[in-house]
Amino acid sequence: DTGVSQDPRHKITKRGQNVTFRCDPISEHNRLYWYRQTLGQGPEFLTYFQNEAQLEKSRLLSDRFSAERPKGSFSTLEIQRTEQGDSAMYLCASSRTSGSPDTQYFGPGTRLTVL
Amino acid sequence: QQQVKQSPQSLIVQKGGISIINCAYENTAFDYFPWYQQFPGKGPALLIAIRPDVSEKKEGRFTISFNKSAKQFSLHIMDSQPGDSATYFCAASITNGNQFYFGTGTSLTVIP
Repeated sequence: DTGVSQDPRHKITKRGQNVTFRCDPISEHNRLYWYRQTLGQGPEFLTYFQNEAQLEKSRLLSDRFSAERPKGSFSTLEIQRTEQGDSAMYLCASSRTSGSPDTQYFGPGTRLTVL
Repeated sequence: QQQVKQSPQSLIVQKGGISIINCAYENTAFDYFPWYQQFPGKGPALLIAIRPDVSEKKEGRFTISFNKSAKQFSLHIMDSQPGDSATYFCAASITNGNQFYFGTGTSLTVIP
């Protein structure tokens, strides 16, 4: 399967704990995006990488959130000191910068539940 | 502020009928309008997309109608099937932009 993959698919944690999610984009895609989706809502943009450079962060990305893409391939999203309001589906997407650059392909998401 | 407004929130259609979902936007800089389909527990999957240089795009049973002057676009699903039951999201972006702005979604149920 050459699609976007995310791990884990589900994560249950207690409030105050740190969690880390991983995203593996489609191999030839050099753009990678993180979105958050809450129940009944559309995905909301969190941050974006082109290769290893993090080029934009949404105001939704508080200082408890950090994302990395160290070698321009996979990316990690870490949430420190989780709060119940962090419970959501975290989606990763990737796209190319040539051909059809605007087509974003989404992974299956990581569903986070903070107790 | 919601950049893209989507309606209806939910839709029930008989098998074989036409499903219509509408979206409106304000930012005239948007020039790429995709529709995504999402099943429970899955990520959104690209269904069809349009750019404002055309007023309609058709792919199989799915058609996007685009009205640039009204800043509206819609998804039409012809001959709707139970397997089409899912949540549909419209989105908008700027070419080479860094994010999509999604609508709030429409939950479609196709009754056999």
